[in-house]
Amino acid sequence: EVVLTQSPATLSLSPGERATLSCKASQSVSIYLAWYQQKPGQAPRLLIYETSIRATGIPPRFIGSGSETDFTLTISSLEPEDFAVYFCQQRHDWPLTFGPGTKVDLK
Amino acid sequence: QVQLVESGGGVVQPGSSLRLSCAASGFTFSYYAMYWVRQTPGKGLEWMAVISYDVGYYKKYRDSLKGRFTISRDNSKNMVYLQMNSLRVEDTAVYYCARDRATGTYPHAFDLWGQGTLVTVSS
Repeated sequence: EVVLTQSPATLSLSPGERATLSCKASQSVSIYLAWYQQKPGQAPRLLIYETSIRATGIPPRFIGSGSETDFTLTISSLEPEDFAVYFCQQRHDWPLTFGPGTKVDLK
Repeated sequence: QVQLVESGGGVVQPGSSLRLSCAASGFTFSYYAMYWVRQTPGKGLEWMAVISYDVGYYKKYRDSLKGRFTISRDNSKNMVYLQMNSLRVEDTAVYYCARDRATGTYPHAFDLWGQGTLVTVSS
């Protein structure tokens, strides 16, 4: 099973700041990594797939990068609605797996 | 409106069975593979099962389910189901159905999620 590790667990930032979230895979997942955003009481929302492709309606401040085992989600300038939990997920191997999440909260 | 709506969750005793349903609307359901994913505070998000879009309905499950759960779909009703048997306390979770991002082949990312349904297994 591909284990995804996310860091940091919590990121405390202010609106307008840049957020950099990391996701590391225990083995190569090529480019087959996605990022989701989840707010309290809501389902996850797809932000990025295949490492760097923004899903429909996702603003350009969300930027995905990386390959193989090291991936990054960058939020270039945090908006108030971006404070949430972010998960990575790989589709390279079964079982499909998710990372434990990074919480971006208000400093 | 493109959406998925789960139902069927509730409080059950260990060893019980429960069937979750997911109603799809606003898109051509029969074109997409569908998934069940659950979420707990302790284990986070876990993929549980997938069912292919087409006749023949290829199914795949998380190994740890050990045959207790069965995914199915009815394309004529735009529904996907998760039959859960021999429920355990550790199956307590919010269960989501989700759609594959792409039509046809899978797996891909999940681009549409339901609101989730809570299953609590407790004596």
